[in-house]
Amino acid sequence: GAGVSQSPRYKVAKRGQDVALRCDPISGHVSLFWYQQALGQGPEFLTYFQNEAQLDKSGLPSDRFFAERPEGSVSTLKIQRTQQEDSAVYLCASSMSGTGAYNEQFFGPGTRLTVL
Amino acid sequence: GENVEQHPSTLSVQEGDSAVIKCTYSDSASNYFPWYKQELGKGPQLIIDIRSNVGEKKDQRIAVTLNKTAKHFSLHITETQPEDSAVYFCAARYNAGNMLTFGGGTRLMVKP
Repeated sequence: GAGVSQSPRYKVAKRGQDVALRCDPISGHVSLFWYQQALGQGPEFLTYFQNEAQLDKSGLPSDRFFAERPEGSVSTLKIQRTQQEDSAVYLCASSMSGTGAYNEQFFGPGTRLTVL
Repeated sequence: GENVEQHPSTLSVQEGDSAVIKCTYSDSASNYFPWYKQELGKGPQLIIDIRSNVGEKKDQRIAVTLNKTAKHFSLHITETQPEDSAVYFCAARYNAGNMLTFGGGTRLMVKP
């Protein structure tokens, strides 16, 4: 079956523009995560959904970052008024179960955002 | 919160040699430790994981060891092949939720 898909794969934005990044998790997966990966570094947690509920948004770097998963499936990460420091790869991951399980997180290919 | 340190940042080995990557974590409550392989332009892919009630796990050429007392875990790859060349990340699951805290990564280069 299909894995986690993300779109667009590449996005170039001018500083100050708003962007929206989409994640399609594996069908039926309850949990969905967003991570930010700066060049040459490990992914860093941004936010976590269990179905449509956003249970943890402690990693969002500022109030310019907003994520939603209204129907418990597709998720969108929105960044308002983009800044150069927002340039990174944004990774989405999904897993089958909710909090407390050891289950594997399956990652998408990421969206590479470049802010000029 | 959790903090994961990973060493070395780069590792170059000859084909057929072994490679070892080490990680330490800070939160004694962490209970799940996966290892991911990331190839250029792709997302991380799980290659092996270990839970805190297990000291060692092996899958063909790959093994992971965990020392809970010292709060460190290691990835061992034997008989390395050129296709093993990639960036490897260790991670720890902070007990408060399902989020993963990643190390900084190790770029492994296997020379033919």
